[in-house]
Amino acid sequence: DIQLTQSPSCLSASVGDRVTITCRASQGISSYLAWYQQKQGKAPKLLIYTVSTLQSGVPSRFSGSGSGTEFTLTISSLEPEDFATYYCQQLKSYPLTFGGGTKVEIK
Amino acid sequence: EVQLVESGGGMVQPGGSLRLSCAASGFTFSTYWMTWVRQAPGKGLEWVGNIKHDGSEKYYVDSVKGRFTISRDNAKNSLYLQMNSLRAEDTAVYYCARYLVRGYGDDFDIWGQGTMVTVSS
Repeated sequence: DIQLTQSPSCLSASVGDRVTITCRASQGISSYLAWYQQKQGKAPKLLIYTVSTLQSGVPSRFSGSGSGTEFTLTISSLEPEDFATYYCQQLKSYPLTFGGGTKVEIK
Repeated sequence: EVQLVESGGGMVQPGGSLRLSCAASGFTFSTYWMTWVRQAPGKGLEWVGNIKHDGSEKYYVDSVKGRFTISRDNAKNSLYLQMNSLRAEDTAVYYCARYLVRGYGDDFDIWGQGTMVTVSS
């Protein structure tokens, strides 16, 4: 199974901060990496697919990068509505797996 | 509007069964893979299983193999999750989602609101 390790598991940031979340895969996953945002009590929402492609309607302050086994999600300037938990996911091989999540809290 | 709506959750005793449904609308259901994902209280996301658009292929996480069965009725635009031999550790919110197979990087692009399953005596 491919394990995904997200870091940090939690971070405190202020509105306007640049935030970077890392996702490391236990083996290469090519471009089969997606990022989701989940707000408390709500369903996850797709933000980015194929490592760096922004889903329609997602603000351009979100970006993804990486290759092989190391990937990052960056929020260039944090907005109040961005406080949430973020998950990476690999869809390279079964079982499909998610990272443990990164909770972005208000500082 | 593209939408997925789950139903069928509730409380069940250990060893019991439950069938979840997911009603799709706003897209051509019969041409998409579909998936179930669950989230235990206070925990992260766990993929449960997938089904191909025509039902000919199904994949499951090891922890539910032999107990859970995914099926679909394309004529009714509906996805199902039959859960048997339920355990306390199956307690979670269950989400259905559309599995977009792009071929060069897939994703779950549309999600339902989720339905809660509680396994407890």
